[in-house]
Amino acid sequence: SQELEQSPQSLIVQEGKNLTINCTSSKTLYGLYWYKQKYGEGLIFLMMLQKGGEEKSHEKITAKLDEKKQQSSLHITASQPSHAGIYLCGADKRLEYGNKLVFGAGTILRVKS
Amino acid sequence: DAGVIQSPRHEVTEMGQEVTLRCKPISGHDYLFWYRQTMMRGLELLIYFNNNVPIDDSGMPEDRFSAKMPNASFSTLKIQPSEPRDSAVYFCASTYVTGELFFGEGSRLTVL
Repeated sequence: SQELEQSPQSLIVQEGKNLTINCTSSKTLYGLYWYKQKYGEGLIFLMMLQKGGEEKSHEKITAKLDEKKQQSSLHITASQPSHAGIYLCGADKRLEYGNKLVFGAGTILRVKS
Repeated sequence: DAGVIQSPRHEVTEMGQEVTLRCKPISGHDYLFWYRQTMMRGLELLIYFNNNVPIDDSGMPEDRFSAKMPNASFSTLKIQPSEPRDSAVYFCASTYVTGELFFGEGSRLTVL
């Protein structure tokens, strides 16, 4: 079963509009990461959140971690065509022998000009 | 730094053939990960190495898949024999701390 659930699976927004993508974990989050992927390319690191209530911003993208809800949200303000792509959240899965990073299924974002 | 380098970028092969994917991690990184991405299953972790040692291979789908890391600057993922359901994009990623992974551009495999 998917440990990280992302919603929505896909969305289309008009350029200039705001949007939010959510990532919910079925287990306690020790670290939450957001990546962006252009189709056919590798993943690009956006942000890492570790503490409950933490919020980080990069240009027009803001991510928050609500540790109690085991959820993170990614918010894009005034979306632009350059924001289009697949957004994936990843989380540290703690194991006896170390951590490994597992990912959600991704959210496909299209921005209409 | 050139980043994580994967080869080949594209591979088309016939069912039953052996496929070898290659990865050169970023110098100084001591973790290396192999992921597989498909529309149906998303991004799945296959195996990861720490200091060239395989730590967790529970994501490797079956015995047809094998991965090696003979030294700190090179890793291979081999599929033998390949099957159409192995068609996917295979990503290699490296890091020196878990979390901020640096991904290669991926190897797109098509098995006919």
